[in-house]
Amino acid sequence: KQEVTQIPAALSVPEGENLVLNCSFTDSAIYNLQWFRQDPGKGLTSLLLIQSSQREQTSGRLNASLDKSSGRSTLYIAASQPGDSATYLCAVRGQNFVFGPGTRLSVLP
Amino acid sequence: GAVVSQHPSRVICKSGTSVKIECRSLDFQATTMFWYRQFPKQSLMLMATSNEGSKATYEQGVEKDKFLINHASLTLSTLTVTSAHPEDSSFYICSARRAGGPTGELFFGEGSRLTVL
Repeated sequence: KQEVTQIPAALSVPEGENLVLNCSFTDSAIYNLQWFRQDPGKGLTSLLLIQSSQREQTSGRLNASLDKSSGRSTLYIAASQPGDSATYLCAVRGQNFVFGPGTRLSVLP
Repeated sequence: GAVVSQHPSRVICKSGTSVKIECRSLDFQATTMFWYRQFPKQSLMLMATSNEGSKATYEQGVEKDKFLINHASLTLSTLTVTSAHPEDSSFYICSARRAGGPTGELFFGEGSRLTVL
């Protein structure tokens, strides 16, 4: 059974800092991994999708990497802004779609 | 971009009543839609996978007779919470798979917050 964990559970940083969010999964037989952000009481916004054959994806200030063999993905956020404050979820798609518990990010002005 | 619309965004109902939540893919066809539930401060949990024209596949522990899922067209899936109770109060989110095959990206609705009094 696939298990997905995210570290840290919560993170508070001053504006402008670069930061890394971590996602680990136990079963490396995945089709893809997707990073989302969720604002309080809202649905999910897809940030980046990495196929199992890819190593990384970039979108603006976001960069996500995938090391399937070690069961890890990282989301790198450059020059963080208060508007980046949200919960960040990773999800892996294998036989099923499994979400991590999320990392709550607060970027302080 | 692909848009998934969910309605209603908020619903309050009395215990014992049934509530229907709609999930629509507005600009693409979705052969597969997924329904999730999220309790406060917890991650999303997959409830069921819905394929157009066939019966939904429910995850272990999810009561199929309580959470009725219908996927009658390529752009619409509905979740009906029957005889709702306060413990059913939760945030329900749907997602739709746009491209064919398991590698397709998922797009999510905005979610529906259900409060059962």
